[in-house]
Amino acid sequence: GAVVSQHPSRVICKSGTSVKIECRSLDFQATTMFWYRQFPKKSLMLMATSNEGSKATYEQGVEKDKFLINHASLTLSTLTVTSAHPEDSSFYICSASGGRLYEQYFGPGTRLTVT
Amino acid sequence: GESVGLHLPTLSVQEGDNSIINCAYSNSASDYFIWYKQESGKGPQFIIDIRSNMDKRQGQRVTVLLNRTVKHLSLQIAATQPGDSAVYFCAELANDMRFGAGTRLTVKP
Repeated sequence: GAVVSQHPSRVICKSGTSVKIECRSLDFQATTMFWYRQFPKKSLMLMATSNEGSKATYEQGVEKDKFLINHASLTLSTLTVTSAHPEDSSFYICSASGGRLYEQYFGPGTRLTVT
Repeated sequence: GESVGLHLPTLSVQEGDNSIINCAYSNSASDYFIWYKQESGKGPQFIIDIRSNMDKRQGQRVTVLLNRTVKHLSLQIAATQPGDSAVYFCAELANDMRFGAGTRLTVKP
């Protein structure tokens, strides 16, 4: 089956610093990758959709200059949280699709804690 | 045991009992539905899906029922086991994928 990895699984950073989260599709080419944020006891909130080689499409209310997304290859997308604040602390999950929107394979998530 | 959509986010059942998790979706144009299982600290895992032209689909120990008239989806888990304890999300697909709030299933031994 399709496998998606995320790195790191957990990260703690200081307020004001930036942190990068990687999402990789290990055994298939992901033409589209999705980034979600999940608050405790809440559902997944789509942040942005990225297609390989083009700019990401951000959902309403998500600051594109704060959450930088790069989808440079068919197997890698990165989310960079810039100038992190404690309120950015959350569980970030990516998913990857080989082209069919209903086939999304999720990564294991990254727990970000900003102190 | 049975949950009722988003108004009962937790469901506790005895091991061996059947579980029913409900989901009320919002978009009548949605034509594909998926149930995901999410264990603590992990990403969602696909459980079962159903297309809008079906009203029932069965997997291993799981059954999904779709009622398009009332925009209702349910996941039935037979003989619930402790390993089934997790949060279960429904997702609907129209132009994009949208997730329900989820129901936390706790299985008591």
